[in-house]
Formats: sequence, C-alpha cells, structure tokens
Amino acid sequence: NAGVIQTPRHKVTGKGQEATLWCEPISGHSAVFWYRQTIVQGLEFLTYFRNQAPIDDSGMPKERFSAQMPNQSHSTLKIQSTQPQDSAVYLCASSPGLVNTGQLYFGEGSKLTVL
Amino acid sequence: QQQVRQSPQSLTVWEGETTILNCSYEDSTFDYFPWYRQFPGKSPALLIAISLVSNKKEDGRFTIFFNKREKKLSLHITDSQPGDSATYFCAASVDSGTYQRFGTGTKLQVVP
Repeated sequence: NAGVIQTPRHKVTGKGQEATLWCEPISGHSAVFWYRQTIVQGLEFLTYFRNQAPIDDSGMPKERFSAQMPNQSHSTLKIQSTQPQDSAVYLCASSPGLVNTGQLYFGEGSKLTVL
Repeated sequence: QQQVRQSPQSLTVWEGETTILNCSYEDSTFDYFPWYRQFPGKSPALLIAISLVSNKKEDGRFTIFFNKREKKLSLHITDSQPGDSATYFCAASVDSGTYQRFGTGTKLQVVP
C-alpha cells in the first residue's frame, strides 16, 4: 500500500499566479480531506469528499480556492491568484469511511510558497 | 473560535518521566477524539483514539483519560523516550464520518 500520494512536494509561485495541487488517496478509501498547516494557524480544515461527492467546503476561502474529485483515485486543490498568505503545507488525507473508524491517513504534503 | 484547545504549547521532560498533554473541547456533540503525532518534516499520524463510550484508552506507554463532564482529555506518556519528541495534536469530530477539528498542538521534547 503506497499511502496517500501528493504532488508536487514543493511549489513556488509568484503572487497572482495559479497553483494546482494533486492528491491520490489510498485505494479503497471513500473519504478524502484537504487541510492546510501553518505555524500560526495550525491544522485548518479546508474541504472533504465522500465517494467523490463534495460534502463540506466550509473551510475553503471561497473566492480563490476550489477543489474537485473527478474520480475515486484523484483529487485536486486549485488556488487562483495566489497570495503570500496562501503559503502553507497543504495536506491531503484519506479515510476508509467505515462506521466508527475515523483515522485519517495523511500524505506527505505539498509545500506552497508564494513570493 | 478554536473548538479544540491544547496545553501546554510546548513541554520539555526528562527521559523516563511521565508526560501529560491536555486537551479540551467545547462542542458537546463531539464523540470521537484521536491523537496524532507529527515528527519534524513529516505528516501527522494517528497515535491513539478514544470515543465517547470510554473513559480510558491504553496502548502500550500511551493512555488517554477522558472526563466527559468537563469535556477534557489528557494523553499520558509513561517512561518518556527521546524518540517521543514530536508535536502531538488532539482532534475531535462529531462522528467518525465527518471532518476532524485539530487543536494547535503540543511540542514535546524529551531530554536524555
């Protein structure tokens, strides 16, 4: 089992550019979560999918962030017009989604730096 | 508003001591409480978890104590080792199928 795969591991963008981050969840897991981690804010929830359907995007900055899950093996997080405050490690996690099993399996993260 | 709070922010203990990390929450509908451990440069990984039906959960040197009335949990690490040095996050969710809210973490350093 390869675990959750995130690409790219590091991305540097200029202010105003677009950034797209990819996540491949563990095969067979039905839930996919996106979090953002910074020193100041800690681990912030962004959005999550269950069986590819968007369930909750209450943590997403609405204007510039979007997430999709076009198939069960792939999710993307897109940030338009990136700003320096978007600099963070973006973590994707998947979960089996079974009742009473809430363990999140995190990927290694994508470190985004906005200059 | 921080729904899950942790204290202390950082902690240094000697090897062999018992470490106590604290967590509290506000939402009484939370019923699943995992603790994750994150080593520098790595991602969080589940360490141990407890649900509302239990008051205590033990796994080797790691034990969660749960005071439901006060909405407080504590993670005890007995015989702390330098390899336990990491940041520990307490999390909570309404049920195991929703997203987990994370505390701000406690950075633990165990000194030989």
